[in-house]
Amino acid sequence: QSALTQPASVSGSPGQSITISCTGTSSDVGSYNLVSWYQQHPGNAPKLMIYEVNKRPSGVSNRFSGSKSGNTASLTIYGLQAEDEADYHCCSYVADSTLVFGGGTKLTVL
Amino acid sequence: EVQLVQSGAEVKKPGESLKISCKASGYTFTTYWIAWVRQMPGKGLEWMGTIYPGDSDTRSSPSFQGQVTFSADKSISTAYLHWTSLKASDTAMYYCAKSLDSSGHDIDSWGQGTLVTVSS
Repeated sequence: QSALTQPASVSGSPGQSITISCTGTSSDVGSYNLVSWYQQHPGNAPKLMIYEVNKRPSGVSNRFSGSKSGNTASLTIYGLQAEDEADYHCCSYVADSTLVFGGGTKLTVL
Repeated sequence: EVQLVQSGAEVKKPGESLKISCKASGYTFTTYWIAWVRQMPGKGLEWMGTIYPGDSDTRSSPSFQGQVTFSADKSISTAYLHWTSLKASDTAMYYCAKSLDSSGHDIDSWGQGTLVTVSS
């Protein structure tokens, strides 16, 4: 399976909103509502931010929102804050308990 | 509280074998999948494969098939990732991670990572 496609980098100013896309195929993103998003600060392990396209785990800010259209999933962060600066990785279920990640997107808060 | 505690950093030579571990606590080890994820220096995450400790059922990414082995010891709630012959290209951070539920569709909790350096 090929990696999902994410932009290498995005940026925004504090208070603004940004959206990170994650494009797959009809065999992964397009077939299942099983896309998750992870935030990773430098030197740390990833942290689950969104699962099953648009669900937030307990404790994750409601400024983080997920959606999907066709073969492309998106993560939107509203009201950007300095602590949101991190790498973001999307992940999709493929089939038979297998997963595939995107290449990761570096978010810079200007 | 769910915890995944991984073994410490390793420095090995090409051709050597290695087994790293991931000790789970705070949940029923046998009813959730444990995935292994590679992150090469400065790169993104790569799903390597997963194991269901309840029956040791495994799945592998085609990219890692035959290159590594996944195992688990239910008696001590520990999962393992094993190489028989390391290459320099295996240098990376390796994370274990627990599935959100028994289906294995998502990952929720992560270990702290084990840095593996392979150099002659």
